[in-house]
Amino acid sequence: DAMVIQNPRYQVTQFGKPVTLSCSQTLNHNVMYWYQQKSSQAPKLLFHYYDKDFNNEADTPDNFQSRRPNTSFCFLDIRSPGLGDAAMYLCATSREEPYYEQYFGPGTRLTVT
Amino acid sequence: AQSVTQLGSHVSVSEGALVLLRCNYSSSVPPYLFWYVQYPNQGLQLLLKYTTGATLVKGINGFEAEFKKSETSFHLTKPSAHMSDAAEYFCAVSGGGKLIFGQGTTLQVKP
Repeated sequence: DAMVIQNPRYQVTQFGKPVTLSCSQTLNHNVMYWYQQKSSQAPKLLFHYYDKDFNNEADTPDNFQSRRPNTSFCFLDIRSPGLGDAAMYLCATSREEPYYEQYFGPGTRLTVT
Repeated sequence: AQSVTQLGSHVSVSEGALVLLRCNYSSSVPPYLFWYVQYPNQGLQLLLKYTTGATLVKGINGFEAEFKKSETSFHLTKPSAHMSDAAEYFCAVSGGGKLIFGQGTTLQVKP
């Protein structure tokens, strides 16, 4: 089945230690998204790609970076995680038109110690 | 700019009772509307969507929603709640290539 895969499902990192989360998709969608979701809140969009075109949300901290080496893969890098970055990180994909219906991965739960 | 408001952050129903989760939207263009469900420690799963055409849309797990333009609403219903329906539900509108989410409604189902 076509799907969005996120690895790892659970990640523990130390305060200030860089961490990378990965996302892959078999849907061949050209748009990919990264969200941060904290407890009891809606997902918050960090950035998204149209193909290789990167779009950063205005309020996304500089501490968060992303790479998309090809259509199938996308990475979220947190350069110096703080305690406030502990959250669920969700990857999603969509076709560009017309509805931008998004398909979500299972998420990576990040813990910062 | 588009926006979504979900009325009621927590809804509690008895098993077998009607489920009604409310969603109102604001959009300057014909909206594309979605309902997603999220179980604990999982991603979001699409329940149903409205794009064009029939205003009553049916989704998975027995859920349906009706698009009412005059009321700018897209409420989610299910005739008979099941224990497995307990989850977080998000209404969303598509805008500018993104999804604008409501704040979510937690559905509790009591035995």
